[in-house]
Order: sequence, then C-alpha cells, then structure tokens
Amino acid sequence: SQTIHQWPATLVQPVGSPLSLECTVEGTSNPNLYWYRQAAGRGLQLLFYSVGIGQISSEVPQNLSASRPQDRQFILSSKKLLLSDSGFYLCAWEGSLEQYFGPGTRLTVL
Amino acid sequence: GQQLNQSPQSMFIQEGEDVSMNCTSSSIFNTWLWYKQDPGEGPVLLIALYKAGELTSNGRLTAQFGITRKDSFLNISASIPSDVGIYFCAGQESGTYKYIFGTGTRLKVLA
Repeated sequence: SQTIHQWPATLVQPVGSPLSLECTVEGTSNPNLYWYRQAAGRGLQLLFYSVGIGQISSEVPQNLSASRPQDRQFILSSKKLLLSDSGFYLCAWEGSLEQYFGPGTRLTVL
Repeated sequence: GQQLNQSPQSMFIQEGEDVSMNCTSSSIFNTWLWYKQDPGEGPVLLIALYKAGELTSNGRLTAQFGITRKDSFLNISASIPSDVGIYFCAGQESGTYKYIFGTGTRLKVLA
C-alpha cells in the first residue's frame, strides 16, 4: 500500500530564516506530487505541483520554491521566511485520479 | 487562488440527523473528490467521482457528480459524533493536473 510522509511535523522559525520541508511517498512510482498551504480555518491553496523528476509548476509566485530531486521526493524551500508564510503545509500525491494527503507540517514564523 | 463555492460554510446538527452539502463551480470538472479533515491532520479522501450523474456511496456517505459537471453534492446519513470535522470538495479540470478546493463545510454534531 502507498504511504506518504512529511517532516518535520511542526516547525518554529524566525523571520528571514531558510526553510526546507520534505515529503516522500512509498509504494508507488511516478506519482504526481503537490504542495498546498492551509491558513488557519481556511481552505487549501495549491503552491506547486510536479508530474516528474525536475518538473515543477508554480501556482503562487512568492518566496517559496519546490524541487523534486527523486521520483518520490518533493521538497518545499524558502531562502528567507516571511511572517505570512506561517500555516499548515500539506503534501499530496495523485494516482488514478485520486489525491492523497500527508499528515502536514505546522509552520510558525515569528 | 481559484476556489470552489462550497455551502453551507458551517452546520450544527443533532446526532442522528442527515446532512447535505454542495459545491459549485464556473468550470466543468472531470473529477470530483470529497475529503474530511480533522484538526491538525491532513484531509482524508472519502469519495471520488468520475462521471456526470454518478452516485457513489461509502457507508453512510453518498456523493453525486452533477449532470452539468459544475457541481457535486455530499450527503451524510444518521450523523454520529465522529462525523465532526471540516469537509472539502475538490475538482479537477480536463487536461490539467491541478485540483481546485472548496472553501470547506465545518460540521458539528451535538449529542
């Protein structure tokens, strides 16, 4: 069966610091991968998606970036965090027109 | 970013009551997904729909893909306390890999 992992689970970072969130998927090959951000009490905002290694599509041009160095690894990064980057970051994979989410990373920027 | 119109925004119901919620879009979708999210966790996929008019059940949950392909409905029968959470719809347009999410329906069940 397929599983999706995200780490860290929670993160508190100062403004201006870098960020690296990692997502890995097990039990499937060549999945479509997604990064979403969810503000408190709000819906899901698509940030990036990837249909293959090295292929990244950006939906929100901000100070965030994404990379897919391996088939089942998706990384979300920032060089300098802003207060507005706080939120719940969710990674998801898609297979057979069904999208499955990881447990999420709670990011607080102070 | 673009979001679907989901209603109602929140619901307070008595245990045992039935619940209905819906999503509407200005775009035609080829796929509709329904999720439930508990606090602090990732959304969990409940039902997936692929054809206009399709009606699919998962236990006490029933969802329908609207005939116009611009809407979808989720019904929960005989609600129980563990149904509490936020329910999201998501739609995928033809020819894209992107899913657009609804604004969510927050459900509270009173015992």
